[in-house]
Amino acid sequence: GQNIDQPTEMTATEGAIVQINCTYQTSGFNGLFWYQQHAGEAPTFLSYNVLDGLEEKGRFSSFLSRSKGYSYLLLKELQMKDSASYLCAVRDRTGGFKTIFGAGTRLFVKA
Amino acid sequence: DVKVTQSSRYLVKRTGEKVFLECVQDMDHENMFWYRQDPGLGLRLIYFSYDVKMKEKGDIPEGYSVSREKKERFSLILESASTNQTSMYLCASSLDLTGDGYTFGSGTRLTVV
Repeated sequence: GQNIDQPTEMTATEGAIVQINCTYQTSGFNGLFWYQQHAGEAPTFLSYNVLDGLEEKGRFSSFLSRSKGYSYLLLKELQMKDSASYLCAVRDRTGGFKTIFGAGTRLFVKA
Repeated sequence: DVKVTQSSRYLVKRTGEKVFLECVQDMDHENMFWYRQDPGLGLRLIYFSYDVKMKEKGDIPEGYSVSREKKERFSLILESASTNQTSMYLCASSLDLTGDGYTFGSGTRLTVV
């Protein structure tokens, strides 16, 4: 089966760096995604990893280790607007390339 | 920008009613998906479609059906609404199976009373 685990909540300070971890188990790994979701809004796509290593996109970076079933999202120079839920999602090629989402990590950025 | 439009932002329906949730995308995407989102459970896949008239069951299809008669439109149908179907419903589309990710609609918050 498939399983995705990420912390429920995190708190960090404006200007700091925060790392949100995600571990997953899947039989047919075909890519890992991170999405941002502000309260009451739809998720928006942040990043995609299919090979091991770090992908950097501005203040956000995402890392993947397929052998460990592990990813993290790194947010630098935190801003108040980064307060949101961050969803880790894994695409599995078994069963038709479904994308399965974790429950999300609620990040609170304080001044 | 790709737009995914869901017909209603809020809906209140009675138990036993047949409910239609409509989703339209305007960028010729092949793939469309319906998820529901509940606190602590994340997004759960109900149904998806990779082509017109094609549909596949997701992880929680019971009590739902879908229709994709045109490429741009993917409808979710609750045959007989029940209170445990009260949820936020999110439609999404994607161009292909690479790394573009999904574009989500703004969601429909359905309350079944």
